[in-house]
Amino acid sequence: DTEVTQTPKHLVMGMTNKKSLKCEQHMGHRAMYWYKQKAKKPPELMFVYSYEKLSINESVPSRFSPECPNSSLLNLHLHALQPEDSALYLCASSQDPGNTEAFFGQGTRLTVV
Amino acid sequence: GESVGLHLPTLSVQEGDNSIINCAYSNSASDYFIWYKQESGKGPQFIIDIRSNMDKRQGQRVTVLLNKTVKHLSLQIAATQPGDSAVYFCAENTGGFKTIFGAGTRLFVKA
Repeated sequence: DTEVTQTPKHLVMGMTNKKSLKCEQHMGHRAMYWYKQKAKKPPELMFVYSYEKLSINESVPSRFSPECPNSSLLNLHLHALQPEDSALYLCASSQDPGNTEAFFGQGTRLTVV
Repeated sequence: GESVGLHLPTLSVQEGDNSIINCAYSNSASDYFIWYKQESGKGPQFIIDIRSNMDKRQGQRVTVLLNKTVKHLSLQIAATQPGDSAVYFCAENTGGFKTIFGAGTRLFVKA
């Protein structure tokens, strides 16, 4: 199994809503990542988890809250988002934090209304 | 066909021709350089990487060249196929946990 599975595929939420994005991998990878990608732009790193601990937060606003419940799961909790947060949110994993071969999910297309 | 840095984000090539996608990077301290392919509606897919102490690495139908003197990276795709149509991103890894993506080049393959 070389897949990273993200749910939901699409999400529309209001600015006062609370929602969560989910990511799962069963490759035994110990590093997991959240990226944000706007249309026609490269993915931008948001968070890095290494061995289930948050290692990097790229100055992401607190309305985005990551969580790593176990080594296979990564969540991104969303609260009080703005329309400009609308984007494709990509989850990725790699065997370990120093490994450059990352496996990406298909992403969650988020629209904030 | 050949793209020139980040100022020509679209490359169009004839099926069967070789493609060259270029990338300029800025961080001299990067340990690894990576190429990803992103097809429409999908997440990026790892193609190949190269360590900073190398200048060339070959994969299946792809070759990555690294010129540290001018901070330039290129991806060569041999015998380009319609399935190669995608956006190609170069990325840098500074040896820690961070992989930072460059702006990307869209490759169109004409049948």
